[in-house]
Amino acid sequence: DIQMTQSPSSLSASVGDRVTITCRASQSISTYLNWYQQSPGKAPKLLIYAASSLQSGVPSRFSGSGSGTDFTLTISGLQPEDFATYYCQQSYSTLSITFGQGTRLEIK
Amino acid sequence: EVQLVESGGNLVQPGGSLRLSCAASGFTFNTYWMNWVRQAPGKGLEWVANINQDGSEKYYVDSVKGRFTISRDNAKNSLYLEMSSLRADDTAVYYCARGFYGDYDNFFDYWGQGTLVTVSS
Repeated sequence: DIQMTQSPSSLSASVGDRVTITCRASQSISTYLNWYQQSPGKAPKLLIYAASSLQSGVPSRFSGSGSGTDFTLTISGLQPEDFATYYCQQSYSTLSITFGQGTRLEIK
Repeated sequence: EVQLVESGGNLVQPGGSLRLSCAASGFTFNTYWMNWVRQAPGKGLEWVANINQDGSEKYYVDSVKGRFTISRDNAKNSLYLEMSSLRADDTAVYYCARGFYGDYDNFFDYWGQGTLVTVSS
């Protein structure tokens, strides 16, 4: 199975800050990498697919980059509603889809 | 509007069985892969199983192989997860999620609100 490792596990930031979350795959996954946001008590929400494509309706302050094994999610100009947990997901192997362990973004 | 509504979650004893359902609406159900994803209390997301459009392909995470069965009824726009030999570590919120499986990208674009399964004596 492909293992996904996110860093950091948690992060404190302030409204207006720019933050970056990284995700590393245990083997090359091309750009089969997605990012999800989960607020407490809510279902996950797709933010970015195929490493850098913004899902419809998602604010442009969210962006993704990377290919192969190393990927990043960047949020430029944090808003109060952005404080949540973020997960990366590899979909290179549809027979065995895996998520990163999550990054909790907290208000400083 | 795409909607996915899970049901069937409950408290069940270890070794017991349970069937989860996911009712889909707002899209052409039989043209999409569907998935089950679970989240143990306070933990991260774990993909559980998926099924293709006509039910001929099914894949599972290793920890549930032989115990869980994913199925669908396209006439009823419904997805199911039959769970047996349940263990305490199966305790989780179970989400159904629509899968977009393209040539160059695969992702889960819509999720239900989840249903809680608790395995405890």
